[in-house]
Amino acid sequence: NAGVMQNPRHLVRRRGQEARLRCSPMKGHSHVYWYRQLPEEGLKFMVYLQKENIIDESGMPKERFSAEFPKEGPSILRIQQVVRGDSAAYFCASSQSGGTYEQYFGPGTRLTVT
Amino acid sequence: SQKIEQNSEALNIQEGKTATLTCNYTNYSPAYLQWYRQDPGRGPVFLLLIRENEKEKRKERLKVTFDTTLKQSLFHITASQPADSATYLCALVYNAGNNRKLIWGLGTSLAVNP
Repeated sequence: NAGVMQNPRHLVRRRGQEARLRCSPMKGHSHVYWYRQLPEEGLKFMVYLQKENIIDESGMPKERFSAEFPKEGPSILRIQQVVRGDSAAYFCASSQSGGTYEQYFGPGTRLTVT
Repeated sequence: SQKIEQNSEALNIQEGKTATLTCNYTNYSPAYLQWYRQDPGRGPVFLLLIRENEKEKRKERLKVTFDTTLKQSLFHITASQPADSATYLCALVYNAGNNRKLIWGLGTSLAVNP
């Protein structure tokens, strides 16, 4: 059973470009979470999605950031017009339905904005 | 205000000793508390979950306690090894109205010296 897959592992973008980060949850998991982590800082929750629905986007910046989890295919975190402050590690996690929220994390995508 | 706190200072211990990490929370109605391990450059890995009505949970050399009166969880690693060196994160699943939400601590860095 493959774990959570994220790609790309490393992404370099110039200021103003768009970044697309992909996450394939573990088989059988229908819940996806996106987090951002800056060096020497903790995990910051961004968004929680189920298939075709955004459940909680309270941690997502209001502008330039969007997320989706379509019926088919991976979840996508999209950052438009990237700025240097967007440079960070972005982690995706998945969980089975239910209330324990036990999460399984992917290896992360390290975004560098030059 | 609502918050979850872990020791911000790194913990250094000698191999073979027991490491104890704390996680304190305020003003939440807890459902579950989880502990994760994170190594540099990697996503967190789920270790243990303890329910609000459980006092203690064990898994191999790991032990977690949960005291809802003190609003505290303790995470113990017995017979510690250098390979246990990592950052350990606690995450609280709490009741928020009709929903459940998850909040993360910033983590405590553990170094086990040979």
